[in-house]
Amino acid sequence: DIQMTQSPSSLSASVGDRVTITCRASQGISNDLAWFQQKPGKAPKSLIYAASSLQSGVPSKFSGSRSGTDFTLTISSLQPEDFATYYCQQYNSYPRTFGQGTKVEIK
Amino acid sequence: QVQLVESGGGVVQPGRSLRLSCAASGFTFSNYGMHWVRQAPGKGLEWVVVIWYDGSNKYYADSVKGRFTISRDNSKNTLYLQMNSLRAEDTAVYYCARDTDNGVIDYWGQGTLVTVSS
Repeated sequence: DIQMTQSPSSLSASVGDRVTITCRASQGISNDLAWFQQKPGKAPKSLIYAASSLQSGVPSKFSGSRSGTDFTLTISSLQPEDFATYYCQQYNSYPRTFGQGTKVEIK
Repeated sequence: QVQLVESGGGVVQPGRSLRLSCAASGFTFSNYGMHWVRQAPGKGLEWVVVIWYDGSNKYYADSVKGRFTISRDNSKNTLYLQMNSLRAEDTAVYYCARDTDNGVIDYWGQGTLVTVSS
């Protein structure tokens, strides 16, 4: 199985900050990487697919990138509605696997 | 608009069975693969199973293989998850999610809670 390792597991940030979350795959997955946002008590929301493509309706403050087996989610200017937990997921092979999540909290 | 509505969750004793449903609307259900993803209380997301748009292929997580069965009725726009021999560790919110034709999950349901407890 492909292991997805996210870092950090949590972070504290202020409104307006630029935030970066990293996800590392245990083996090559091409660009087959998605990012999801989940708020407490709610279903996940799809943000990014193919490492850097925004899902329809997702604001451009979210961006994704890839360097080898390392993937990054960046929020350019953190807003109150962005405080949530973020998950990466690989869809290169089965079983699909998620990272353990990164909780973004208010400083 | 795309809607996925899960139902069928509840409290069940260990070893018993439960069937979840996911009613789809707002899109041509028979054109899309579908997943079940679960989340134990206070934990992260765990992928469970996928079924292709026509039901021809299914892939399961090892943790549920041989106990859970995914199926779909394209005439009823409904996805199912038959869960047998339930264990305490199956306690979770179960989400259904839509798969695009290249493996990407784009829409999620609101989830249904399954609690396995005596």
